[in-house]
This record gives sequence, structure tokens and C-alpha cells, in this order.
Amino acid sequence: GAVVSQHPSWVICKSGTSVKIECRSLDFQATTMFWYRQFPKQSLMLMATSNEGSKATYEQGVEKDKFLINHASLTLSTLTVTSAHPEDSSFYICSANSGAGGRDEQYFGPGTRLTVT
Amino acid sequence: DAKTTQPPSMDCAEGRAANLPCNHSTISGNEYVYWYRQIHSQGPQYIIHGLKNNETNEMASLIITEDRKSSTLILPHATLRDTAVYYCIVRVRTSYDKVIFGPGTSLSVIP
Repeated sequence: GAVVSQHPSWVICKSGTSVKIECRSLDFQATTMFWYRQFPKQSLMLMATSNEGSKATYEQGVEKDKFLINHASLTLSTLTVTSAHPEDSSFYICSANSGAGGRDEQYFGPGTRLTVT
Repeated sequence: DAKTTQPPSMDCAEGRAANLPCNHSTISGNEYVYWYRQIHSQGPQYIIHGLKNNETNEMASLIITEDRKSSTLILPHATLRDTAVYYCIVRVRTSYDKVIFGPGTSLSVIP
């Protein structure tokens, strides 16, 4: 199946700094990628939809100035958490749609664990 | 997306079949039933999907009722590695359609 990678797999940063998380589709092109956040013992919460070459669409309640999303190519989307605070500590997961060969499946990355101290 | 309802947790003995139910009574005609699972601290993994016919792959079987208002995911011989949270989702099958996760079913496979 299609592979989606995330980098880094975990990161610890100090409060007030910014952190960039990369999401790559390794063997397919993805015009649409999605970003999720997951707190302990909770389900995944969709944060935003990332479209190649255009602005991201954010879900209600997600601050677009705090969570900057850039989808510069068909294989890379980045999420930057600006001025991170301890409450931003979470598991961030991306997904990408593979429409190759008439199939349309969404594949998920392994996640990035962010801890803000 | 239509809402789905799943039991919050289930246990299954190792080696036995695990049958995970899902209700999706408001599913639309063009919406598919998808199943994903998430093992602790990993990203979700695609398992199987179907529209109205029963489906089987190397991981599981999906049984969809004739009226499409409910479905069952079957893991034929559960192993300890199948312990995970299983999510039933209904969605239109397009590249831009979101996957919205509910709380899912936490399956514990017991030795």
C-alpha cells in the first residue's frame, strides 16, 4: 500500500518556540492532505485540509495563525506550530489521499509526538 | 458525513473471531463504509471498505446489511497484535473528502 511518512517522529520544544512537522507521501502524489491532532485517550480530531497550491481549510475552532500549513508540492505538506505552549502538546497525524489507478484511499502517517515544556 | 455508533469497548479471546459492530442508519447511497484501526501511539491503519456487498481481504471481512444501516467487521482469528481502537467511518469516496473519526471501539484481545 501507499506510504506516508512524518518527520520528526517526536519533538520536545520550549514554550514560545515554533515547531515544523513534515508529512510526505513517498510513492504517490497527493493533491489533498489532512492534519489531525490527538490527545491522550481521545479520538483523532481533524484540524485542517491541506490543498496543494492553495490555502488550507481549517476546521472550526482551529487557529489558522497558530497552526500554519503549507502544501508546496504534491508530496509534501508541513504543519508549523507557532509560539508553542504546553497545551499544544499532542500527537499530530497527517494523512494523504491516493487517487492512483482509480482507487481513492486515505493513508495515514505514523504521527509526531510534540511535547512543549 | 453520516454518524456511526460503535460500542466503546470489547474483549475477544486470542484465536477466536472478533466481531465488531457498527451502526450507520443515516448512511447515504453514495457513502462507503470504511474501517480503520489505531494501535497505541501509531497512525491509523486502513483495514477494509465496502459499499453494499460483503468484502474480504487478508486482514478482515466486512459484512454490510442489505439496508446498509449497519455493518460488522470480522477479524477471523484474533491475535494479541490486533489489540487496538477500531474506527468505523462512512464517507464519500473522493480525494478531498475528510475522514471524521468517532470514538471507535477499543478491542482487547485476551490471551
